[in-house]
Amino acid sequence: SYELTQPPSVSVSPGQTASITCSGDKLGDEFVCWYQQKPGQSPLLVIYQDSKRPSGIPERFSGSNSGTTATLTISGTQAADEADYYCQAWVSSSVLFGGGTKLTVL
Amino acid sequence: QVQLVQSGAEVKKPGASVKVSCKASGYTFTTYDITWVRQATGQGLEWLGWMKPNSGDTVYSQKFQGRVTMTRSISTTTAYMELSSLRSDDTAVYYCARIRWSGSYGSFDFWGQGTLVTVAS
Repeated sequence: SYELTQPPSVSVSPGQTASITCSGDKLGDEFVCWYQQKPGQSPLLVIYQDSKRPSGIPERFSGSNSGTTATLTISGTQAADEADYYCQAWVSSSVLFGGGTKLTVL
Repeated sequence: QVQLVQSGAEVKKPGASVKVSCKASGYTFTTYDITWVRQATGQGLEWLGWMKPNSGDTVYSQKFQGRVTMTRSISTTTAYMELSSLRSDDTAVYYCARIRWSGSYGSFDFWGQGTLVTVAS
């Protein structure tokens, strides 16, 4: 069955660039979204259609998708960006989520 | 402003059913589809399906086909998700979310606050 694979955890120092990957067979042929979820909160859409930012999402969040890997990049990472991040794609009219990546800012 | 307000926490016994509501406001209810996603404690997100409020048409995840039913009331701008034959591993926070379509791809741009469903004997 199709799966989206994310690293369980990523660490980054404040002000540095964080990259979170999401891998799946021919994922570059699909559009990928990214969600941020902080403890006790609902998920928040941060990237849609591979690289577009919803209104209100800081410019430091960007996305790309090619081949088998989609990447969420956070430039100038801030302490407030510490959260779980999930990728999401539509495969055969169904929604798949990646397993999630815990981003630690230390 | 767009808001999705869900019903309160539920405790159910194994084998029972639960019905969670999601009241939409701040936009035209029939012009955006609604999806349901759940999350067990400490786990990732799991998709249950989606519904078109305008027509009532639904698409369910194969995993939940036969156990989940999504409905709506246009007059009260409320979407509902009912899950039957509950098991202990259905214990999770259930979210509704609005779908923003880009062609045939949708993203979930507004989410409800979540409803904790606990299944225990």
